[in-house]
Amino acid sequence: GAVVSQHPSRVICKSGTSVKIECRSLDFQATTMFWYRQFPKQSLMLMATSNEGSKATYEQGVEKDKFLINHASLTLSTLTVTSAHPEDSSFYICSARFLRSGPIEKLFFGSGTQLSVL
Amino acid sequence: GQQLNQSPQSMFIQEGEDVSMNCTSSSIFNTWLWYKQDPGEGPVLLIALYKAGELTSNGRLTAQFGITRKDSFLNISASIPSDVGIYFCAGTFTGANSKLTFGKGITLSVRP
Repeated sequence: GAVVSQHPSRVICKSGTSVKIECRSLDFQATTMFWYRQFPKQSLMLMATSNEGSKATYEQGVEKDKFLINHASLTLSTLTVTSAHPEDSSFYICSARFLRSGPIEKLFFGSGTQLSVL
Repeated sequence: GQQLNQSPQSMFIQEGEDVSMNCTSSSIFNTWLWYKQDPGEGPVLLIALYKAGELTSNGRLTAQFGITRKDSFLNISASIPSDVGIYFCAGTFTGANSKLTFGKGITLSVRP
């Protein structure tokens, strides 16, 4: 069964509103979680890395005030898309790692969230 | 930055055929991974490779870590309809907060 739960799976919102996406590790404590963005027929692009209890590290070109990441517990990270616009429409995927230096097999992906901004 | 190249973007094969996918990088990695993504889902790890030259199998899947550490290939033998999906290669370095760099993916279609 799934070890990383991502919710919601699909969300449609109006332009200017904020949307929160949750990523939960179900069977383990995730010290590190990653957030990706994927456009149709494109690769996964890393947006940010979050470690529990500290500020997220954003990739170059990703606006941290636009994409707020909170990793307040070892089992939950949230991504909030603030003041969403149509160009923010995309498939957002999280992944959770069992240990910060753990084997790569212990990196599990959520099932993704399709965000559509009208 | 690092880039992984996968081509072609799409492949069409007949059920029962074997298929090989290649992935090349502009720089070296010390770990190569192959993932499969179904529509509307997150990627699922198929095979992980840790040493140059390593050849690893997982059922009908076989993958190899290129000797130059800049490439990898994935073979699927005796394809079946459920092999349909997008196959991504990814490279990384082991260690704290190591990040994955993904290729663009290859969409595989299997004709019954």
